[in-house]
Amino acid sequence: DGGITQSPKYLFRKEGQNVTLSCEQNLNHDAMYWYRQDPGQGLRLIYYSQIVNDFQKGDIAEGYSVSREKKESFPLTVTSAQKNPTAFYLCASSIGVSGGDYEQYFGPGTRLTVT
Amino acid sequence: GESVGLHLPTLSVQEGDNSIINCAYSNSASDYFIWYKQESGKGPQFIIDIRSNMDKRQGQRVTVLLNKTVKHLSLQIAATQPGDSAVYFCAENYGGTYKYIFGTGTRLKVLA
Repeated sequence: DGGITQSPKYLFRKEGQNVTLSCEQNLNHDAMYWYRQDPGQGLRLIYYSQIVNDFQKGDIAEGYSVSREKKESFPLTVTSAQKNPTAFYLCASSIGVSGGDYEQYFGPGTRLTVT
Repeated sequence: GESVGLHLPTLSVQEGDNSIINCAYSNSASDYFIWYKQESGKGPQFIIDIRSNMDKRQGQRVTVLLNKTVKHLSLQIAATQPGDSAVYFCAENYGGTYKYIFGTGTRLKVLA
């Protein structure tokens, strides 16, 4: 089965701890994205990557970091610098970023709760 | 379940009736639009897309209408079923870039 997997589904952390969310895809997509979803708001872009070893900040990158060492994997680290980390985090991928291959496929999400 | 659906506008529809969900998009230059369905606790699922050179596109039981004059997008679901209950939101894109703008969504409740 092709798709995007995120793990874990639920994650609990204490304030002040860094936490890494996993995202893996076997769709052979070049582009990957991380979004944050909060109640009553549209998805907001945290980071995106167009190709291996390259990534760019999105609209709300502060307090987050990413890496893209492999095409299939795009982990997101939520650092202690993120003021309001509790949210639903969604990973997505697309064939590319430009040239008409727009459609984004989403993973199942990770619900992060920081107390 | 997830709390992402709190405070959303809700559309309640009788099973078997048609549903119409609306979206006002923000950028008059946007040229690609997607409708997503998101069930509680899950990631968004692609339903249908449309490019700005079209006014209407049909899929299986779904139709998307695009009115560029008033920057309005609608999703019509025919013969709504209980499994259609979810949050639906639109996304717009300009120029095939990484940048998508996502709507906040509408909750669809199907009444038996």
